[in-house]
Amino acid sequence: GAGVSQSPRYKVAKRGQDVALRCDPISGHVSLFWYQQALGQGPEFLTYFQNEAQLDKSGLPSDRFFAERPEGSVSTLKIQRTQQEDSAVYLCASSVRIFGAGGGEQYFGPGTRLTVT
Amino acid sequence: AQKITQTQPGMFVQEKEAVTLDCTYDTSDPSYGLFWYKQPSSGEMIFLIYQGSYDQQNATEGRYSLNFQKARKSANLVISASQLGDSAMYFCAMREGGRGANNLFFGTGTRLTVIP
Repeated sequence: GAGVSQSPRYKVAKRGQDVALRCDPISGHVSLFWYQQALGQGPEFLTYFQNEAQLDKSGLPSDRFFAERPEGSVSTLKIQRTQQEDSAVYLCASSVRIFGAGGGEQYFGPGTRLTVT
Repeated sequence: AQKITQTQPGMFVQEKEAVTLDCTYDTSDPSYGLFWYKQPSSGEMIFLIYQGSYDQQNATEGRYSLNFQKARKSANLVISASQLGDSAMYFCAMREGGRGANNLFFGTGTRLTVIP
């Protein structure tokens, strides 16, 4: 079956531009996560959705970052007025589990590599 | 304090040999889960293996096994019979089971190179 897909795979933005990154989770997966992975680092948590509800946004680095999942499936991560420090790979993951019920692997998409010039 | 520590930035292993990738973790939550992911150069994180804090036996998935030592707070990944396709970054991750804790905490990764 289809895995998690993300688009675009690559995005170059000029500093100050707004960008929107899309995530299509695995069909039927309740939980959806966004992570940011800087070069040479492990992914870092940004935000979590359970269906359409954003239950945790504690990892969003600033109010320029905004995420939504209006119908409980596709999610969009929006970054306003991009800065150079926003350059990273943005990973989306989904899981069939509702947390915190223990366990539950997350399935990741290929990521969107954002470069801000 | 770091929740996940991977002290090996890079490892080399001969094809067909076994290799152990180290991971230690830090949590005060009695309920937690430990995960290993593989990230090839294509960038996608591939789930390999999971160990729950209350699991009595070490997890195994094909050529992957997790050496879980709870008292030492370590969760090392053992890859047996290495293949060239195993060359990739490997990340250890933890999810704490407490209420409201949903996300994974990742280590900095270990780059594994399999030598023919």
